[in-house]
Amino acid sequence: GEDVEQSLFLSVREGDSSVINCTYTDSSSTYLYWYKQEPGAGLQLLTYIFSNMDMKQDQRLTVLLNKKDKHLSLRIADTQTGDSAIYFCAESPLGYNKLIFGAGTRLAVHP
Amino acid sequence: DAGVTQSPTHLIKTRGQQVTLRCSPKSGHDTVSWYQQALGQGPQFIFQYYEEEERQRGNFPDRFSGHQFPNYSSELNVNALLLGDSALYLCASSLADRGGNQPQHFGDGTRLSIL
Repeated sequence: GEDVEQSLFLSVREGDSSVINCTYTDSSSTYLYWYKQEPGAGLQLLTYIFSNMDMKQDQRLTVLLNKKDKHLSLRIADTQTGDSAIYFCAESPLGYNKLIFGAGTRLAVHP
Repeated sequence: DAGVTQSPTHLIKTRGQQVTLRCSPKSGHDTVSWYQQALGQGPQFIFQYYEEEERQRGNFPDRFSGHQFPNYSSELNVNALLLGDSALYLCASSLADRGGNQPQHFGDGTRLSIL
């Protein structure tokens, strides 16, 4: 089946690291994505990882993939108030061009 | 470099009416996908258009239909609107999948409210 699950809420202090977790079910997924959605806006592509990789780093963002456990995480270093948003994990099953999204994790950054 | 643009930004309709939403893809992209995002949920795939044809479809009724034009822009049509159709409708564009990664880039969406 197709299912992506995320925790719904995360609160961190400004300057700390944030870790948002995601589990997915389709082992055929070749790419896994992280999108960010700010209030009243669409989805902004943050980063993605190919399924044969374990880690990908892009400035303050680090993506970790455990393919055996079908677990994906997004770490944001030095979290800022501008990082407050909803973060969506998405998988793209092999042979399909659609994205399957989780329900999103709301990240709240406080002083 | 223009990103994905959608119109209108907001729309209010009543039950039973019909609506048309529009999308222009990011420059250079040839594939358009539509998603429905209900309040508090993640986007759900409606369908995808490539070469003016529907290539894939999610679990949505036939009331939802679409079209892609030769310039790659696209329309989403919804007939016989129901209260449950109230949502943010997102358009995403990408290059056609040729076996590699073709990330989808999203517009800001059309907020549809059904009264």
